[in-house]
Amino acid sequence: GAVVSQHPSRVICKSGTSVKIECRSLDFQATTMFWYRQFPKQSLMLMATSNEGSKATYEQGVEKDKFLINHASLTLSTLTVTSAHPEDSSFYICSASYGGNTEAFFGQGTRLTVV
Amino acid sequence: KQEVTQIPAALSVPEGENLVLNCSFTDSAIYNLQWFRQDPGKGLTSLLLIQSSQREQTSGRLNASLDKSSGRSTLYIAASQPGDSATYLCASQNEKLTFGTGTRLTIIP
Repeated sequence: GAVVSQHPSRVICKSGTSVKIECRSLDFQATTMFWYRQFPKQSLMLMATSNEGSKATYEQGVEKDKFLINHASLTLSTLTVTSAHPEDSSFYICSASYGGNTEAFFGQGTRLTVV
Repeated sequence: KQEVTQIPAALSVPEGENLVLNCSFTDSAIYNLQWFRQDPGKGLTSLLLIQSSQREQTSGRLNASLDKSSGRSTLYIAASQPGDSATYLCASQNEKLTFGTGTRLTIIP
């Protein structure tokens, strides 16, 4: 399968600062990228869907001003958690696909801890 | 709204046994059904993808089946090994993936 690289794998930041997480498709051009959040011992919750060159589509209840998503190229999407607070601490995972209902490939995840 | 459920939430079996994990979904209008494995603190590894027109897919000791009309999928693991211990997630796809709640599998040596 295709390779998706997510960076960093772990990050600790102070409350009030912003953190950027990168998601790269290494060997294919990803028309669509997805960002998920996972709480301990729970399943993945879709936060937003981003298509290259257009604004992300956020799921209901996800603050778009807090979770800024940029998908400027076919191989890179970024998620920026702005003014992070302890309740934003979570495991964030991205996935990338060719779009539509094609198979999605997942990154390794980023453990964010806000102190 | 699609809802995906996995039963049981946790399962422990002795090494060498065969086992079945269950996944059910409420909306049968899906394009495909995927099974993933997640190790603690890690991302997802895709195991099998079954297109909506297919009944099953096999990869090594893994076999996944799909019955769209009844909204069910199963993942069969043959001759389980301690390395199979992980959380297994199923997800239905219709433009986006809807994940199940997961089954935490422990294989006892």
